[in-house]
Amino acid sequence: AAGVIQSPRHLIKEKRETATLKCYPIPRHDTVYWYQQGPGQDPQFLISFYEKMQSDKGSIPDRFSAQQFSDYHSELNMSSLELGDSALYFCASSSRTSGSTPTYEQYFGPGTRLTVT
Amino acid sequence: AQSVTQLGSHVSVSEGALVLLRCNYSSSVPPYLFWYVQYPNQGLQLLLKYTTGATLVKGINGFEAEFKKSETSFHLTKPSAHMSDAAEYFCATFEGFSGGYNKLIFGAGTRLAVHP
Repeated sequence: AAGVIQSPRHLIKEKRETATLKCYPIPRHDTVYWYQQGPGQDPQFLISFYEKMQSDKGSIPDRFSAQQFSDYHSELNMSSLELGDSALYFCASSSRTSGSTPTYEQYFGPGTRLTVT
Repeated sequence: AQSVTQLGSHVSVSEGALVLLRCNYSSSVPPYLFWYVQYPNQGLQLLLKYTTGATLVKGINGFEAEFKKSETSFHLTKPSAHMSDAAEYFCATFEGFSGGYNKLIFGAGTRLAVHP
């Protein structure tokens, strides 16, 4: 079965640079979520999109922005990178309904490990 | 708002022993509860979920969890630990619930170590 694809898997940037992370959800999934997991921490919600519209926003810095495109893939853009942005960034996708039965599971991608030096 | 608390940041068991990872939830309405596993340098994999219906939920890799409303708990168990079960386990719930697309709130995680 197709899974959530994230690219790149690893990214090294210097302070004040920009980074773009990409997420390709499972086919026919209509919702994409972004989470940030710092070292030794639990994942923290950043932002989500439903049918290409922002549906919710968490503790996402103003330096970050995201969007979902017509093909449902999503990109997380990060500018003026700081050392504290070093983390594992997960994308997850879900579908509101699967046939006639609502499904609520979020399926996670392998993550992008961002290192800011 | 909903939340989950995992008791014990580290659990160590012998191979073949019972695995018990504890999760308590705080919710004013019936919650949706999930257990995810994260292997080193990998993403989060859904082990099992509780939405409605049967309170004993079976998941992948021999894990199961029981939803106990009276105890506000959703502990994860496995009768016999295997070395490959060594990983980080996260209990999670939706912060709110609005039509099935809501952000997950995770517990702090429990690192399971399995020794021979």
